[in-house]
Amino acid sequence: EPEVTQTPSHQVTQMGQEVILRCVPISNHLYFYWYRQILGQKVEFLVSFYNNEISEKSEIFDDQFSVERPDGSNFTLKIRSTKLEDSAMYFCASRYTMNTEAFFGQGTRLTVV
Amino acid sequence: GDSVTQMEGPVTLSEEAFLTINCTYTATGYPSLFWYVQYPGEGLQLLLKATKADDKGSNKGFEATYRKETTSFHLEKGSVQVSDSAVYFCALTPRLGANSKLTFGKGITLSVRP
Repeated sequence: EPEVTQTPSHQVTQMGQEVILRCVPISNHLYFYWYRQILGQKVEFLVSFYNNEISEKSEIFDDQFSVERPDGSNFTLKIRSTKLEDSAMYFCASRYTMNTEAFFGQGTRLTVV
Repeated sequence: GDSVTQMEGPVTLSEEAFLTINCTYTATGYPSLFWYVQYPGEGLQLLLKATKADDKGSNKGFEATYRKETTSFHLEKGSVQVSDSAVYFCALTPRLGANSKLTFGKGITLSVRP
């Protein structure tokens, strides 16, 4: 069965460093998302991406964040200068159309020290 | 804005016990409602959904009914199994289409003892 794959499963980084979280969505999907969950809190929407551009972003998704689909298969989330409060589980999701099920990856746990 | 509230956890049950996990929501209009499940080491998976009032979503023995009058979407299962141990998330989208980003609750961890 097709699945969304995220790498790495766990990333530890020092405060102020740049990190790139990687996702491989299901190959024929057109809509892509990043969500995050800070430990003990809700899963929060970060950004959606369609037709090679951001279609919506939340207040969390400030200038420190960026997304890219560099090669038609990967979908990346970059945090330019990580802060302690960026420590969270980050989930990637994709869907074929806006009216079909969203498939999620297993998540990347980011720990900023 | 839209929000989803889930009962506090964790929940621990014995096998074959009855399960209820409460979920209430706040949203304008007529949202679609979902339950997602995350098994250990895996991603979020759609468990069931309901797209309009009084719809009942069901899958793998789990059920949830869209109650607009009480703005609720409680998850139930008559007899849980050890394999149901997972984290359960209630979620909504404003409506299908229109980008359809998901708004999630905090999630609740269910542990089922043999």
